[in-house]
Amino acid sequence: AQTVTQSQPEMSVQEAETVTLSCTYDTSESDYYLFWYKQPPSRQMILVIRQEAYKQQNATENRFSVNFQKAAKSFSLKISDSQLGDAAMYFCAYRSAIGQGAQKLVFGQGTRLTINP
Amino acid sequence: NAGVTQTPKFRILKIGQSMTLQCTQDMNHNYMYWYRQDPGMGLKLIYYSVGAGITDKGEVPNGYNVSRSTTEDFPLRLELAAPSQTSVYFCASSYSGPTLPNEQFFGPGTRLTVL
Repeated sequence: AQTVTQSQPEMSVQEAETVTLSCTYDTSESDYYLFWYKQPPSRQMILVIRQEAYKQQNATENRFSVNFQKAAKSFSLKISDSQLGDAAMYFCAYRSAIGQGAQKLVFGQGTRLTINP
Repeated sequence: NAGVTQTPKFRILKIGQSMTLQCTQDMNHNYMYWYRQDPGMGLKLIYYSVGAGITDKGEVPNGYNVSRSTTEDFPLRLELAAPSQTSVYFCASSYSGPTLPNEQFFGPGTRLTVL
């Protein structure tokens, strides 16, 4: 079974600075997807960014980018120019590309990000 | 287009009571899911469905039942509620088609407390 580990329960950053959230995962599959979800105090789960494992290029979405290291099974999220609205729980998630595990998300434990004004 | 809606938003149950958490999506998604999120933890999959009439267990199915009689609705039934079922429950849906990776859309969650 696949597992996802986020080793940083809490992180904080000054407004306008850059922060990196870590995620590692364990799988024997070669084809899969990785995601970062944001959960603000409203509890709504919001997709921040996704990465296809077959793509070597790291995904970017405006101020959010990832560092995907397939061999190391590492998938970190970088938030640039941090804003107060970025404060939330961030979850890393894994999904198989094929087979019975496809479509099912496996989540890490989450990292609580605080933005200091 | 409301997306994924869940009712109720909050509920307190006594030990041994039963209840049904409702989930409806209006995006014509074929896949639907139920997750639970315990305090300070990530979401864990309870049950999922790949289409009307088809359901399967996830990681933590014990104590729960589901049914999927229509594309839109995917209710989660708790029988004989226990304190260990105190959690926040999320319903999600996605479309499985040629366009990958088929993002999952989440409802706002139901906070359930069993006392």
